[in-house]
Amino acid sequence: QVQLQQWGAGLLKPSETLSLTCAVSGQLSSGYYCSWIRQPPGKGLEWIAEINDSGSSNYNPSFKSRVTISFDTSKKHFSLTLSSVTAADTAIYYCAGGGIFRPLYWGQGSLVAVSS
Amino acid sequence: DIQMTQSPSSLSASVGDRVTITCQASQDIKDYLNWYQQKPGKAPKLLIYDASSLEVGVPPRFSGNGSGTDFIFTITSLQPEDVATYYCQQYDDYPLTFGGGTKVEMK
Repeated sequence: QVQLQQWGAGLLKPSETLSLTCAVSGQLSSGYYCSWIRQPPGKGLEWIAEINDSGSSNYNPSFKSRVTISFDTSKKHFSLTLSSVTAADTAIYYCAGGGIFRPLYWGQGSLVAVSS
Repeated sequence: DIQMTQSPSSLSASVGDRVTITCQASQDIKDYLNWYQQKPGKAPKLLIYDASSLEVGVPPRFSGNGSGTDFIFTITSLQPEDVATYYCQQYDDYPLTFGGGTKVEMK
């Protein structure tokens, strides 16, 4: 049974850096991907970035150079950092894993609020 | 970016009704389309991939079809547990993009 458990700081001030980690437990087949997706309160879903277990990544250009994702193979941890946050970055952030373009397993979501 | 337009944005139906949601892509995405279900306070759940393939364990009352720019998601007989918001997502090109969602409520 694959499970994703995510954690990170929930309250940030403007200009700070968001940092979230997603730990994978259980066995995922080789070639799996982890995506980060966010959802502002009461709104729709926005894809942020993805990385596979070989370290190959893709990013949403709308985040320009603010976002970085990484994968620690030894710990099976995926991480997301988003720099220079503003109130517009307030959202629930999800990690999701599985085959490419087939995110079967989701983290529980992390509410990140940006406020001065 | 490929724009995904879902309609309606919300609907209300009775138990046993047939529910249909449409998703239109701003350009040809072949059949590179997922459908998700999101219940309140929960993470999304992948129901359908490749426009019409049902994920393992998903009830057969859910179905999807279409290719190119026009797609349809159907619940053949609405059940109380189907109350949720449904999203389409294209993966033909980066960035991956979602439709705005369709909230399905019970009458």
